[in-house]
Amino acid sequence: DAKTTQPNSMESNEEEPVHLPCNHSTISGTDYIHWYRQLPSQGPEYVIHGLTSNVNNRMASLAIAEDRKSSTLILHRATLRDAAVYYCILRDLSGGGADGLTFGKGTHLIIQP
Amino acid sequence: GAGVSQSPRYKVAKRGQDVALRCDPISGHVSLFWYQQALGQGPEFLTYFQNEAQLDKSGLPSDRFFAERPEGSVSTLKIQRTQQEDSAVYLCASSPGPARGNTIYFGEGSWLTVV
Repeated sequence: DAKTTQPNSMESNEEEPVHLPCNHSTISGTDYIHWYRQLPSQGPEYVIHGLTSNVNNRMASLAIAEDRKSSTLILHRATLRDAAVYYCILRDLSGGGADGLTFGKGTHLIIQP
Repeated sequence: GAGVSQSPRYKVAKRGQDVALRCDPISGHVSLFWYQQALGQGPEFLTYFQNEAQLDKSGLPSDRFFAERPEGSVSTLKIQRTQQEDSAVYLCASSPGPARGNTIYFGEGSWLTVV
């Protein structure tokens, strides 16, 4: 899987929007951009994914740059429960067989009350 | 249960002891993954099953690590002659089918400490 680059940590205030960046300059045409997050003492959980167009779901929004070399996960109104490590992961959907996830170190999001 | 279930949740093993970690995936899920997560690091892939077949074990760090899923549901990760560097969280995950890109659901992990 192609590599992603994320800041080690970010800090935000409760009830404010949070923009988590991810760079993936070597992304290929068949790579989907996935975001997972890991709350303290929990396993990772799926947040959102996209290919080219911006995506919204109940948890977050994903904004993808036109050249697809970067993306931003947007939490519209952060709460203390959003404090977690956020992982940006590229998944190549070409070929056969299931693919595991290749995690980097992610971004540790700190929410201040 | 509704999610991936792992047991034991916490395990302290003496160096040299064998341990077995159990994973109950979501019912009906074809794919099952094991990951190892060291403190402060992201999870690292260990092995993958499609039903009972172990299709990828490239991430197992040594021949002391062994995984099985004999009936295509419950899986066990066994670590023989544990060493201190085996201390980590072991995460099990499952997904509905064999296709690429399916959402992967994780358990809460088994925390192993080797003393």
